[in-house]
Amino acid sequence: AQSVTQLGSHVSVSEGALVLLRCNYSSSVPPYLFWYVQYPNQGLQLLLKYTTGATLVKGINGFEAEFKKSETSFHLTKPSAHMSDAAEYFCAVSDQGNTPLVFGKGTRLSVIA
Amino acid sequence: DAGVIQSPRHEVTEMGQEVTLRCKPISGHNSLFWYRQTMMRGLELLIYFNNNVPIDDSGMPEDRFSAKMPNASFSTLKIQPSEPRDSAVYFCASSFRIGGAGELFFGEGSRLTVL
Repeated sequence: AQSVTQLGSHVSVSEGALVLLRCNYSSSVPPYLFWYVQYPNQGLQLLLKYTTGATLVKGINGFEAEFKKSETSFHLTKPSAHMSDAAEYFCAVSDQGNTPLVFGKGTRLSVIA
Repeated sequence: DAGVIQSPRHEVTEMGQEVTLRCKPISGHNSLFWYRQTMMRGLELLIYFNNNVPIDDSGMPEDRFSAKMPNASFSTLKIQPSEPRDSAVYFCASSFRIGGAGELFFGEGSRLTVL
């Protein structure tokens, strides 16, 4: 069965600094990988997804993630953090898009002025 | 489109009472999912439907939990009787496909507090 591990339940960065949120997955077949963002008292919104093709995926709000099969990773990055990026971020995996998404436990991002 | 609509947004009840959470998926989506979010366990998939048929309910914690989808535009999650450990945020989500190759759209959640 597929699973996701997000390293670090809380990450704090300064405004303008690089954002790096880590995600490692386990899947017995080629995975579909996702990053979702959750703002306080709201549902989850899709940031970006990898299904097939180009391994560097660009999403909304300047975020991007790179699928690295050899490392079973799908880390999320953004070159310059903005105060509005403060939220909870979830990595998720599906087996070739045929199974429901399994989510990691989330990483809370704080941005310090 | 109005998105996935859940009600109620907040529910406070006493132990032993019946709780019913409701969800209206996005029109045209054929897959519907119920997730539960807690600090300790994160987001857990409880049950999902495809074309109104329950496909996998192995995530439902106990027989006290039940879910129905009588038609393509409505689903309920019922807890009877409720217990304090059921306190959580319950999310409904819908998609064109089970595996999220189509985007998974979430409602704003129903925050349940059982006293």
